[in-house]
Amino acid sequence: DQQVKQNSPSLSVQEGRISILNCDYTNSMFDYFLWYKKYPAEGPTFLISISSIKDKNEDGRFTVFLNKSAKHLSLHIVPSQPGDSAVYFCAASEVSSNAGNNRKLIWGLGTSLAVNP
Amino acid sequence: EAGVTQFPSHSVIEKGQTVTLRCDPISGHDNLYWYRRVMGKEIKFLLHFVKESKQDESGMPNNRFLAERTGGTYSTLKVQPAELEDSGVYFCASSHAGEQYFGPGTRLTVT
Repeated sequence: DQQVKQNSPSLSVQEGRISILNCDYTNSMFDYFLWYKKYPAEGPTFLISISSIKDKNEDGRFTVFLNKSAKHLSLHIVPSQPGDSAVYFCAASEVSSNAGNNRKLIWGLGTSLAVNP
Repeated sequence: EAGVTQFPSHSVIEKGQTVTLRCDPISGHDNLYWYRRVMGKEIKFLLHFVKESKQDESGMPNNRFLAERTGGTYSTLKVQPAELEDSGVYFCASSHAGEQYFGPGTRLTVT
């Protein structure tokens, strides 16, 4: 049973427009959320994160919004660039009280973003 | 600064054989994680080391998988004997106290 869901397998946007990637979760114990970007034949690369005590975090063209009541987060990329074309993974974690600072990540299936010139 | 490295990048073995994957974390990172992505499914946590100690191995599929991190530096993940369902991409990640940095993965194919 998936705890982190990315219901859109793919998304296509025009260069310069906004890309919005969505993620839903079911575990109310998650307190930290991350977005990773992945190119083919490479490992995931950290993009941006948000703690559950916040509802927004911004880093340049990337903004993550968190709606705890809806158990929903989204990643906004504006303006989108062709180099943003990649698979974007949403991941979540909870502090494991019996394992120190263990932050194992629970992942969604990913959304493949294509930004067209 | 060198990133997380993994060896080999690809491995093709027959069912019943043994394979050992290696991960070299970023220098100074005490936390080391192993994850696996089976085709069509999400990336799944396997286990977590803090230095040489296993903090959480709740994601290890079964006792055919053995992970070690002797001396708290590099880690190995051995699969013995390999089964068809072990095929996938095995990722290693390391962290100091925050975000996890991932290696490029090892693609394992069991035929």
